[in-house]
Amino acid sequence: KQEVTQIPAALSVPEGENLVLNCSFTDSAIYNLQWFRQDPGKGLTSLLLIQSSQREQTSGRLNASLDKSSGRSTLYIAASQPGDSATYLCAVRPSWSGYALNFGKGTSLLVTP
Amino acid sequence: DGGITQSPKYLFRKEGQNVTLSCEQNLNHDAMYWYRQDPGQGLRLIYYSQIVNDFQKGDIAEGYSVSREKKESFPLTVTSAQKNPTAFYLCASTRDIEAFFGQGTRLTVV
Repeated sequence: KQEVTQIPAALSVPEGENLVLNCSFTDSAIYNLQWFRQDPGKGLTSLLLIQSSQREQTSGRLNASLDKSSGRSTLYIAASQPGDSATYLCAVRPSWSGYALNFGKGTSLLVTP
Repeated sequence: DGGITQSPKYLFRKEGQNVTLSCEQNLNHDAMYWYRQDPGQGLRLIYYSQIVNDFQKGDIAEGYSVSREKKESFPLTVTSAQKNPTAFYLCASTRDIEAFFGQGTRLTVV
């Protein structure tokens, strides 16, 4: 069974810092990996999707990388802002799962002014 | 606006009651999913459906039931057999490779 781990579980940084969130998965047979943002009491917002054949994706201040062979992905947030405060979830879609995502427990990020 | 609509946002259930959570999408997506989220936990898959009139159990299907009579709709029933139903429930859909989520329903047992 695919296990997804996110480190750290929580992170607090001052505004303006660049930061990295980590995601690891145990089975490299994945179809794609998706990063989500979740605000308290809300649903998930898709941030970036990396297909298994890709190495990275970028959107604005966000950059996500994928190293499928080592079972790792990172989400890089440049010049963090208080509005970035949220929980960030990593999810992988195993090749064999019928397209259902396996989620990590998330990293809770707080960016202080 | 295209998207996934979950209702209600908050739901209260008495012991022994069945309740149904609604999930509707107008994205023309084929596959739909129900996840459960507990504090400090990742999302866990309850049921999923890849086409109309077909659905599969996920990791924690006991005490839940679903139907998929229309492409746009995938309601989840939490039955009295689910002993610990208090949680945040999220519905999702996919067409090709990307998943999109609704805003969730918070279910509380009273």
